[in-house]
Amino acid sequence: DAGVTQSPTHLIKTRGQQVTLRCSPKSGHDTVSWYQQALGQGPQFIFQYYEEEERQRGNFPDRFSGHQFPNYSSELNVNALLLGDSALYLCASSLAWREVGGELFFGEGSRLTVL
Amino acid sequence: AQRVTQPEKLLSVFKGAPVELKCNYSYSGSPELFWYVQYSRQRLQLLLRHISRESIKGFTADLNKGETSFHLKKPFAQEEDSAMYYCALSGLSTDKLIFGTGTRLQVFP
Repeated sequence: DAGVTQSPTHLIKTRGQQVTLRCSPKSGHDTVSWYQQALGQGPQFIFQYYEEEERQRGNFPDRFSGHQFPNYSSELNVNALLLGDSALYLCASSLAWREVGGELFFGEGSRLTVL
Repeated sequence: AQRVTQPEKLLSVFKGAPVELKCNYSYSGSPELFWYVQYSRQRLQLLLRHISRESIKGFTADLNKGETSFHLKKPFAQEEDSAMYYCALSGLSTDKLIFGTGTRLQVFP
């Protein structure tokens, strides 16, 4: 099991562009969460997908959107990129939303640089 | 407000010394508390969680509801403990995690 896989690992965009990041969850997991980790900060929750629907959302603008596919993989889309969107974007998978204190399994992240 | 505070950005100790990484939280209700760790060139992974009451790699963490703290402790640090440590919490009906800013632990030989 390769665990949670994310692509691309690194990418550079310019302000105003759009970006799509992809995530495949750990085998057997059906819930995918996305986090943004700015330099020197802890991960910050963006949103979570289960059964192809957004279940929870953090304090992020509508420019951040996502999707989950029938095979449980997920995409994170960011429109109208700002310099402040430069960060490491982490995907995490779980069965945990139904389990109190469950474990999240993280990918290695996609590092986005906005110029 | 829901918040996790890790007051130390960096903690440096010598091998064999005791370690305590501090974590304080603010949450209305009864949260679940976790410690996640990121070793060099590895992904973020769960170290331990309050609900399991377990000791992992010699680390323990006790939830103190009165002081709203969940400090991570190890009596004798090892060089392989050097890593970035994040304290996190979630609510009872969700696995959305709120993370602290992290503490880098350096263990010198």
